[in-house]
Amino acid sequence: GAVVSQHPSWVICKSGTSVKIECRSLDFQATTMFWYRQFPKQSLMLMATSNEGSKATYEQGVEKDKFLINHASLTLSTLTVTSAHPEDSSFYICSAKRLAAWDEQFFGPGTRLTVL
Amino acid sequence: KQEVTQIPAALSVPEGENLVLNCSFTDSAIYNLQWFRQDPGKGLTSLLLIQSSQREQTSGRLNASLDKSSGRSTLYIAASQPGDSATYLCAVRPGGYQKVTFGIGTKLQVIP
Repeated sequence: GAVVSQHPSWVICKSGTSVKIECRSLDFQATTMFWYRQFPKQSLMLMATSNEGSKATYEQGVEKDKFLINHASLTLSTLTVTSAHPEDSSFYICSAKRLAAWDEQFFGPGTRLTVL
Repeated sequence: KQEVTQIPAALSVPEGENLVLNCSFTDSAIYNLQWFRQDPGKGLTSLLLIQSSQREQTSGRLNASLDKSSGRSTLYIAASQPGDSATYLCAVRPGGYQKVTFGIGTKLQVIP
């Protein structure tokens, strides 16, 4: 149990376009979802935390108008990279957890974004 | 601010060796510590989760220990196999907060 999926697994887009990445909890209700970004040879950096039905909380230095996060249901969160630039190319990973504070985060398989 | 360090950054061993990966963290007030495996271009696979009240966890050939007071955890891999080749990440979750801090990882290569 506790499976998290992401779609697409990889995407290539042109500079200036917007890209949407989906994160789904397949067999549990995720009250909280997290979005991470990973640059080559670096650790995962938390971008934002989203709770179902409320606005996301962004980490310092993350542009909320550029990285739009929506968590409209208990099984789906989306990350939209708006007006993408080559420097947005990265590996994006989401995680999800249930309501209980003790519950661990379950991670998705990641999405590789390449902006040309 | 919690900082997580993993040593070594890379490790290459012959098949069959036992090995130890190290993780240290600066703030000992943690809720739990988790070890993950990441294959190239892939997401994270959870290996072991140790709660703050626990000293160790075991799964198959893997054993993870936690010494909260000294801010250290080790991941022990017995009888390494080429399929163990991957990057191993250590992640720390603070008490009373959800944000998880990751180390950069140890890239392991097991040579047949």
